[in-house]
Amino acid sequence: RKEVEQDPGPFNVPEGATVAFNCTYSNSASQSFFWYRQDCRKEPKLLMSVYSSGNEDGRFTAQLNRASQYISLLIRDSKLSDSATYLCVVNISGFQKLVFGTGTRLLVSP
Amino acid sequence: GAVVSQHPSRVICKSGTSVKIECRSLDFQATTMFWYRQFPKQSLMLMATSNEGSKATYEQGVEKDKFLINHASLTLSTLTVTSAHPEDSSFYICSARDFTARENEQFFGPGTRLTVL
Repeated sequence: RKEVEQDPGPFNVPEGATVAFNCTYSNSASQSFFWYRQDCRKEPKLLMSVYSSGNEDGRFTAQLNRASQYISLLIRDSKLSDSATYLCVVNISGFQKLVFGTGTRLLVSP
Repeated sequence: GAVVSQHPSRVICKSGTSVKIECRSLDFQATTMFWYRQFPKQSLMLMATSNEGSKATYEQGVEKDKFLINHASLTLSTLTVTSAHPEDSSFYICSARDFTARENEQFFGPGTRLTVL
């Protein structure tokens, strides 16, 4: 079983739509959680950290459910510029390394 | 956010040659840097963790004699792909931890696309 699992998509949505991505992780010792965005042939860039209480940054809302080992990302009012691959990333307690999911591809169309 | 650079951004080489990739933290000191590899349509896979002044820690299945890592200063780590073969063609990305930034946040370099003919 993969340590971090995501639906690869692609998710095709029209501009203005709301879209949600889910991610599950297998290691209960996972301590920190992130969503990264990766554009084609570019490096990943941190979108937001994910906290137990849930957090929001503009149109983006991230939630964490430790009991179910589940992370989500909600994007409201999708823009064309949101088209990218969204990577779910976890950090396991006691280790420095990040573990990446395979990413979920989002395509926002006019 | 902190800036990490990589050089070169793209390299094409013949099979059997060695390729060195540099990773620099430009505006912060990074005691730890990470090297990842990403094949098309796949996730980033950690290859090794590079600690300044000590030997790198390699992930399972990564050959340390093939992928030589040197972290000689707080702002520079290098990855050398020795005797490269076509199957080594990939996108190599480094990242660095800034211990003054948010917990466990890593800043990524722009990546190096390696093509071995």
